[in-house]
Amino acid sequence: EPEVTQTPSHQVTQMGQEVILRCVPISNHLYFYWYRQILGQKVEFLVSFYNNEISEKSEIFDDQFSVERPDGSNFTLKIRSTKLEDSAMYFCASSEAGSGREAFFGQGTRLTVV
Amino acid sequence: LAKTTQPISMDSYEGQEVNITCSHNNIATNDYITWYQQFPSQGPRFIIQGYKTKVTNEVASLFIPADRKSSTLSLPRVSLSDTAVYYCLVGERDSSASKIIFGSGTRLSIRP
Repeated sequence: EPEVTQTPSHQVTQMGQEVILRCVPISNHLYFYWYRQILGQKVEFLVSFYNNEISEKSEIFDDQFSVERPDGSNFTLKIRSTKLEDSAMYFCASSEAGSGREAFFGQGTRLTVV
Repeated sequence: LAKTTQPISMDSYEGQEVNITCSHNNIATNDYITWYQQFPSQGPRFIIQGYKTKVTNEVASLFIPADRKSSTLSLPRVSLSDTAVYYCLVGERDSSASKIIFGSGTRLSIRP
């Protein structure tokens, strides 16, 4: 079964540092997403990406965040200057079509900001 | 996006059938109903999607009454491994809309 892969599985970083979370979506999918989940809370939408540009973003996705699809296979989330409150599980997802279609999620990257 | 309401938590025992109901009074004509499952420390996983009546796959069944204002996810003969959070979502299937919004879900706990 095709799957979305994320690296690293766990990243620890110091406050103020930049981090890049990496994802390889399923190859024939056209829509890509980043979500985050703070421990014990619900899954929160950050951003969606289609046709090489951001389709939608939430209020959480401020100027500290950016996404990129640098080479046609990877999809990255960059946090420029991490804060303690950025500590969370970050999930990447992809789907063939828009949000009504089945989305496949990766196993997540646990980001810990210290 | 239509708002959904589902129980915060449910408990059951191994071998039982579990039914989780979701209310979506403002569902639109083009909306489909989709359920995701999330195990601890894992990403959500698509379970089932339907428009009306009944849909069944190897994991679950989805029952949707004629008025479509609610739906019921049915898990037959649950095991401990079915302990997870279950999310009900409503939205257009063929829309270009590109975000899936998760609510709080239903935390299902299965006991031996």
